[in-house]
Amino acid sequence: GESVGLHLPTLSVQEGDNSIINCAYSNSASDYFIWYKQESGKGPQFIIDIRSNMDKRQGQRVTVLLNKTVKHLSLQIAATQPGDSAVYFCAENLNFNKFYFGSGTKLNVKP
Amino acid sequence: NAGVTQTPKFRVLKTGQSMTLLCAQDMNHEYMYWYRQDPGMGLRLIHYSVGEGTTAKGEVPDGYNVSRLKKQNFLLGLESAAPSQTSVYFCASSYPRQGASGANVLTFGAGSRLTVL
Repeated sequence: GESVGLHLPTLSVQEGDNSIINCAYSNSASDYFIWYKQESGKGPQFIIDIRSNMDKRQGQRVTVLLNKTVKHLSLQIAATQPGDSAVYFCAENLNFNKFYFGSGTKLNVKP
Repeated sequence: NAGVTQTPKFRVLKTGQSMTLLCAQDMNHEYMYWYRQDPGMGLRLIHYSVGEGTTAKGEVPDGYNVSRLKKQNFLLGLESAAPSQTSVYFCASSYPRQGASGANVLTFGAGSRLTVL
């Protein structure tokens, strides 16, 4: 399968600080990427997506950056809140029907 | 609007037993998927379907079968459960991605935790 990995398995941040979660992907032909958030006991939920013809995309408190040169994605969360505590996955879409997921990064937000 | 519903949520099986996980979606999505999630492994695709009556293998299809007799339902079967199939199973659905500029956001169910003893 394709390799989509994360640099840090666990990230602890102070409430109010900004968080940055990183992801490396292996296939340069992947043209669509999604970040998902998974809270304990629940299924993954869509956060934000980005296509390969973009370098940056912003949502509400979240920004995704794509660096195709080094095959790297990052998710930035501004003013991190306790409700942001979860596992975050990046996923790459190589063929239109299938996604390949990274192993996830756990974000702990300290009050 | 329930989204994606998986049943059962929990199940314990003995080695060699069979069972079926049911996934139902009410969003009229064409595509449906079954993933398994193991610690440190992320989500791995077992089987998927691009429409009623069609199924295809994903990354880890061995030991599983699927059926998509109705557009809204996608069934995952284990004919002879093995301890290696202990996992959390997630069903997801989506619309087809419309070309390179399209999106293909997966909507996931809450998961089914299966333990094989």
